[in-house]
Amino acid sequence: AQKVTQAQTEISVVEKEDVTLDCVYETRDTTYYLFWYKQPPSGELVFLIRRNSFDEQNEISGRYSWNFQKSTSSFNFTITASQVVDSAVYFCALSRRTYGQNFVFGPGTRLSVLP
Amino acid sequence: DAGVIQSPRHEVTEMGQEVTLRCKPISGHDYLFWYRQTMMRGLELLIYFNNNVPIDDSGMPEDRFSAKMPNASFSTLKIQPSEPRDSAVYFCASSYSYGEGYGYTFGSGTRLTVV
Repeated sequence: AQKVTQAQTEISVVEKEDVTLDCVYETRDTTYYLFWYKQPPSGELVFLIRRNSFDEQNEISGRYSWNFQKSTSSFNFTITASQVVDSAVYFCALSRRTYGQNFVFGPGTRLSVLP
Repeated sequence: DAGVIQSPRHEVTEMGQEVTLRCKPISGHDYLFWYRQTMMRGLELLIYFNNNVPIDDSGMPEDRFSAKMPNASFSTLKIQPSEPRDSAVYFCASSYSYGEGYGYTFGSGTRLTVV
């Protein structure tokens, strides 16, 4: 069975601090896909990144970076120099295929960035 | 691209009434998903369609829930009769099975309150 664990339920940081959100996954598949989504207070779910299991390169997009390590089954998300607008719930997700079968979400981490 | 469009944004109904939630996926997407989000259970996949055909409805809670996709541009999720425990945010999402894949694109959700 597939499972995604986000052990941090809530994190609070002060603006401009760096913060890392942890994601640990379980799967027996050799091919799989990992995702991060952001859910701001307005409620919509915003896609942030998709990574396939064959690509372990870290990725950086502006203040966001992702660290994928198959050896530890982790796909962690770091926000550098956090801003108040980063306050949201962040979901890590795992899929067997990109088009949706067995797409499993983690429970989410609520990030509060204080001014 | 207008994104995935859901209506209504908010719905308040009395127990026992029929509720219909609507979704217009992104044009060209061949997969459509209905999710439910609650505090207790997080994000749950209810049902998904491929090319308008229901593929997996194992997440539908019970017979009171039904979903249809009469064409590629429209889907409905119906609850009849509604119960207070159905109160949740219902998300529709769509994706396509080819190309690089951008994960799911979610609609803004419908917040359902059954009183």
